[in-house]
Amino acid sequence: DGGITQSPKYLFRKEGQNVTLSCEQNLNHDAMYWYRQDPGQGLRLIYYSQIVNDFQKGDIAEGYSVSREKKESFPLTVTSAQKNPTAFYLCASTELWGAGETQYFGPGTRLLVL
Amino acid sequence: AQSVTQLDSQVPVFEEAPVELRCNYSSSVSVYLFWYVQYPNQGLQLLLKYLSGSTLVKGINGFEAEFNKSQTSFHLRKPSVHISDTAEYFCAVSDLERGATNKLIFGTGTLLAVQP
Repeated sequence: DGGITQSPKYLFRKEGQNVTLSCEQNLNHDAMYWYRQDPGQGLRLIYYSQIVNDFQKGDIAEGYSVSREKKESFPLTVTSAQKNPTAFYLCASTELWGAGETQYFGPGTRLLVL
Repeated sequence: AQSVTQLDSQVPVFEEAPVELRCNYSSSVSVYLFWYVQYPNQGLQLLLKYLSGSTLVKGINGFEAEFNKSQTSFHLRKPSVHISDTAEYFCAVSDLERGATNKLIFGTGTLLAVQP
């Protein structure tokens, strides 16, 4: 079945540690996105990538980094500069980059700070 | 800046009763509008979307929404809910004045709690 996989389901981060969240899609979609979800705040866009080897900052990119070396993969690194990383992280993709495209979401990764 | 307001953070309703979840967006000439559903500890799934044409949009699981340009609203409705409809519902908008972008602005969500 085609879809988006995110791993791990739960991730624990120690103070000062960088952690990487995985996002893989086998839908052959061009564009991919990372969102952060906090209770009562909806989804906020961290980074997005319109096409392989290209990505742009979203609304809350500080303390995060991404790469898009392969079409199917868009990993997110939460750096030690992100002072409040505890949240539910969602990866999404669209077939094309264009208004009106349906975003398909992965199951999410919950990041907790030890 | 474009924004989306979901007025109700929680909507309790009895099984088989009708429900309306409200969504308003800040005024813009052209928008695309979406409703997504999120079941506990899962990702989001598209319920329906309005791009153009008929203002009444039908989606999956018996949901429908009506685009009202003068009221800048896109309320979601279902005539008879089921226990399995218990989930969080998000309204989102894509602002076409900013160009052909897939960047969505999400509302804060409405938790639909269906009681037996």
